[in-house]
This record gives sequence, C-alpha cells and structure tokens, in this order.
Amino acid sequence: GAGVSQSPRYKVAKRGQDVALRCDPISGHVSLFWYQQALGQGPEFLTYFQNEAQLDKSGLPSDRFFAERPEGSVSTLKIQRTQQEDSAVYLCASSLSGGGRNEQFFGPGTRLTVL
Amino acid sequence: GIQVEQSPPDLILQEGANSTLRCNFSDSVNNLQWFHQNPWGQLINLFYIPSGTKQNGRLSATTVATERYSLLYISSSQTTDSGVYFCAVRYYTSGTYKYIFGTGTRLKV
Repeated sequence: GAGVSQSPRYKVAKRGQDVALRCDPISGHVSLFWYQQALGQGPEFLTYFQNEAQLDKSGLPSDRFFAERPEGSVSTLKIQRTQQEDSAVYLCASSLSGGGRNEQFFGPGTRLTVL
Repeated sequence: GIQVEQSPPDLILQEGANSTLRCNFSDSVNNLQWFHQNPWGQLINLFYIPSGTKQNGRLSATTVATERYSLLYISSSQTTDSGVYFCAVRYYTSGTYKYIFGTGTRLKV
C-alpha cells in the first residue's frame, strides 16, 4: 500500500492475555519504529529496527514486551500477560533509510484496551 | 536526556486567525519533524526541517538549530487545523540515536 498500515485498529484484551500487533511499513523502507501513546500524552519511543536487526529496544517498558521484524518488512509487537497500564495507542512508523535520518511516516495506530 | 518543550500548551483561535507554535529543545539535534495529530489520532507529517525555513500552503516552519528552537506558523486558520501539534527530534547520545516527541500544543479553531 501507499502508507504504513497497522492491524488490528482496536484490540480489547482481558488482563493476563497475550496480544500481537502488526505493522506493515511503506515498501522499501529500511527503518521501522514502534511508539506507545498514552491518553493525552505524546508518543514515546519503544524500539527501532533497521531491516531485520533490532538496534534499539531501550524504550520497551518491561520484558513482557517483545518486537520482531524477521524478514525486514512486516513487524509484530507482542505483549505478554497484559496489564491495565498497557492500555494505550501503539503507533508504528517507517522511514526510508537506516539510522532514521529521513522523515518518519506513521500508521493509524492500534488502540489497546486492557480490562 | 534532552528536553523538548512546546508552547503554548493550549491555543484557541477564531477561524481566519494566524498563530505561531514554538518547539524548544535543550541540546543539539540531528533532525526535527512537525506533525499534526488529527482528532482521529492520525499523525500527519507537516515538515521535516532540521534547519532552515520551509513553506507548504498556509503552513510554514523555521528551525534555528544553533539556538535550539523551531517555529510552526499557521495562517488563516481553518476548523480542520484543530488537533494536537507535535515536534519530534532525533539526537545522538551514548553511542546511539534517540527519538523524542515534544509536549504538544492542542489547537482548537
């Protein structure tokens, strides 16, 4: 597609369930980023991939969060044993070159609600 | 780490008015983007502007990297301009690049 797509757009999970969020970046984009946006706040960086390599995961809030991009295109953010504090919008962005030197383009986000 | 602050935090405008939004950052940055987050949550790219001045229709932006600020100008505001405006910066620290969003300016027209 022409832009970054994410699925599902909305996800409701019971506390303790595992969830998987998908990101399809713009075709050919080397860099891929995940962000978490809590209600009323700005996006906060979670992790960064350059092709299939996860170069920075310093923003992942706990070891319950795991991200992968095995073939250097589609990425999945997995959250295990979800907690209520995980409720947020999860945003994916991609950029053309490595190192995030170019502008980032964002997907529509996945709104996760943990009950 | 670097601090990125935006002002004003909230802004109410009459349709047709002009405004200036400011983004201050506390240390050197490698690039800077302005985004508009519409009421549906989509982040829309406005400008990629690590330095200099750019214009796109009713919007323009200026970044003075040496003085650590960027300005976003909105002229002849329209109701569709409502939403939250973020600046986001990329900076180098501890051997890696980091990305941080500003505090945002919530605009209602």
